[in-house]
Amino acid sequence: AQSVTQLGSHVSVSEGALVLLRCNYSSSVPPYLFWYVQYPNQGLQLLLKYTTGATLVKGINGFEAEFKKSETSFHLTKPSAHMSDAAEYFCAVSTGGGIKLTFGTGTQLKVEL
Amino acid sequence: GAVVSQHPSWVICKSGTSVKIECRSLDFQATTMFWYRQFPKQSLMLMATSNEGSKATYEQGVEKDKFLINHASLTLSTLTVTSAHPEDSSFYICSATPTSESSGNTIYFGEGSWLTVV
Repeated sequence: AQSVTQLGSHVSVSEGALVLLRCNYSSSVPPYLFWYVQYPNQGLQLLLKYTTGATLVKGINGFEAEFKKSETSFHLTKPSAHMSDAAEYFCAVSTGGGIKLTFGTGTQLKVEL
Repeated sequence: GAVVSQHPSWVICKSGTSVKIECRSLDFQATTMFWYRQFPKQSLMLMATSNEGSKATYEQGVEKDKFLINHASLTLSTLTVTSAHPEDSSFYICSATPTSESSGNTIYFGEGSWLTVV
């Protein structure tokens, strides 16, 4: 079975500050890892994904994440937060090249002036 | 790019009635689609796997007779909430992956459908 843990249900940063959203996973086989963003009352938008290859993955809107197998982590970062980054962020995992996702509980990002 | 569309985006129904939500892949074929449910301020929980031409596979705890899934074509899956009750009020989201892809790492989500049962 696979699972995802997102540490911190709410994260607040100042505009221009570093964004760090934490995600740890559990999987018995090599995982595919995803970060999605959800704006209020909307569906999910893919930020980035890791499947194989380079462990540092760059996504849209300046976000990136690094797959660290030894730490079973896939933390999401952005060097400088923007007000438009305020949203809910979900980490997800699938295994065996599958398309069935298991989501973390989500992290609400608040960006303050 | 690939788009998955859900309809309706918002629906209000009376308790005891049934409501159907459609999930369409607009420019690709999808043998498999997934239905998720998201309660307010919570994560997405997988409800079932919709398989074109065969029965859906439901996750543990999801009532298959209450949440009817039909995947009659390669571009359309429907979720029917039967005899809806207020506790079924939720945000329902579908996802699909192009059948043509050799690996399943491209997953497209619909915009979601808000169901309110009054």
